[in-house]
Amino acid sequence: GQNIDQPTEMTATEGAIVQINCTYQTSGFNGLFWYQQHAGEAPTFLSYNVLDGLEEKGRFSSFLSRSKGYSYLLLKELQMKDSASYLCAVLDSNYQLIWGAGTKLIIKP
Amino acid sequence: NAGVTQTPKFRILKIGQSMTLQCAQDMNHNYMYWYRQDPGMGLKLIYYSVGAGITDKGEVPNGYNVSRSTTEDFPLRLELAAPSQTSVYFCATQRLAGGADTQYFGPGTRLTVL
Repeated sequence: GQNIDQPTEMTATEGAIVQINCTYQTSGFNGLFWYQQHAGEAPTFLSYNVLDGLEEKGRFSSFLSRSKGYSYLLLKELQMKDSASYLCAVLDSNYQLIWGAGTKLIIKP
Repeated sequence: NAGVTQTPKFRILKIGQSMTLQCAQDMNHNYMYWYRQDPGMGLKLIYYSVGAGITDKGEVPNGYNVSRSTTEDFPLRLELAAPSQTSVYFCATQRLAGGADTQYFGPGTRLTVL
């Protein structure tokens, strides 16, 4: 079966750095997405990786290793508004998105 | 430009009732999706459509039906509502199915079946 694993919850301090990991086992791979979802709201796009390596976009970076079935989202200079769930999703061989359950990130002052 | 709109925002149904969740988009995207999200769970694909007149089942289609008569609209029909269908329902659109093209989500419909 297809499986995406992420930690359920993480806590970090305002101004710090946090890394959210995602491991996947899917039938085929056509890219990996990270989405942010604030409580009670819809997911919004953060990043897309299809090749190995690091993609940097402001305070957020995303890394992919296809051989290891592994990705992480790195958030720097954490702000209170970063408190949200972060969803990892893999585009499988049928171009369907397979979603992880999400990691709830709690930021403390 | 409204993007993706969903109605209603909230709804309470009794067991056995039926309803239609509306989804409309003004981005001229061919691909549209219906997901459900249960608390603490990832999104599960119910149905999707690659264009007007074409629909297909996703991972959890039982108890639901869809139609796509126009590019803009993709309604989701619940027949004989059951408590297991209590969830948040998201509609999403996408310009292309592959590559870096992201999905754009509507604000969601929160459905409770009692």
